[in-house]
Amino acid sequence: GAGVSQTPSNKVTEKGKYVELRCDPISGHTALYWYRQSLGQGPEFLIYFQGTGAADDSGLPNDRFFAVRPEGSVSTLKIQRTERGDSAVYLCASSLDGNQPQHFGDGTRLSIL
Amino acid sequence: AQSVTQLDSHVSVSEGTPVLLRCNYSSSYSPSLFWYVQHPNKGLQLLLKYTSAATLVKGINGFEAEFKKSETSFHLTKPSAHMSDAAEYFCVVSVGNNNDMRFGAGTRLTVKP
Repeated sequence: GAGVSQTPSNKVTEKGKYVELRCDPISGHTALYWYRQSLGQGPEFLIYFQGTGAADDSGLPNDRFFAVRPEGSVSTLKIQRTERGDSAVYLCASSLDGNQPQHFGDGTRLSIL
Repeated sequence: AQSVTQLDSHVSVSEGTPVLLRCNYSSSYSPSLFWYVQHPNKGLQLLLKYTSAATLVKGINGFEAEFKKSETSFHLTKPSAHMSDAAEYFCVVSVGNNNDMRFGAGTRLTVKP
């Protein structure tokens, strides 16, 4: 079956712009996670959704970052006033519920010029 | 707080020889432990997981890992490396619901012909 799908696969934009990154989880998965992976490092947790609500957003680095999941399926990670330090691969994962292993998408590579 | 330390940033082996990727964890509670693999420009794939059942866990592609509480270790092994095993490997710890996952910095495995 289809896995976790992330779009776009690559995004290049200028400093100060607004970006949206999309994640389509595996059908039926109630839990959805966003991570950020900087070059040469492991993924860092950003936010976790159970259904439509953000159950844990403690990993969001500042108020420029926001994520939504209005219908409990597709999620969008939004970054305002982008900075060069936001450049990274943004990974999305989903799981059947909060107790099951996470399945990852291929990520969106974000480059801020 | 829970965390993992991957003791080697880079491991190089010859094809057909054993693989050992080392991971130590720190957790105040009974942890769940995972190994994920990441091929270039690809998302993370779950290799195996430990969730307090058998201490020797068998995963996909011939990998296995042994949970040793006395040593707080969860090393990943494979008897015979294949060229296709070349990738980045991440050790991950979670406590309770796996919305709280912490990744190690990763170990890059190189397989020489």
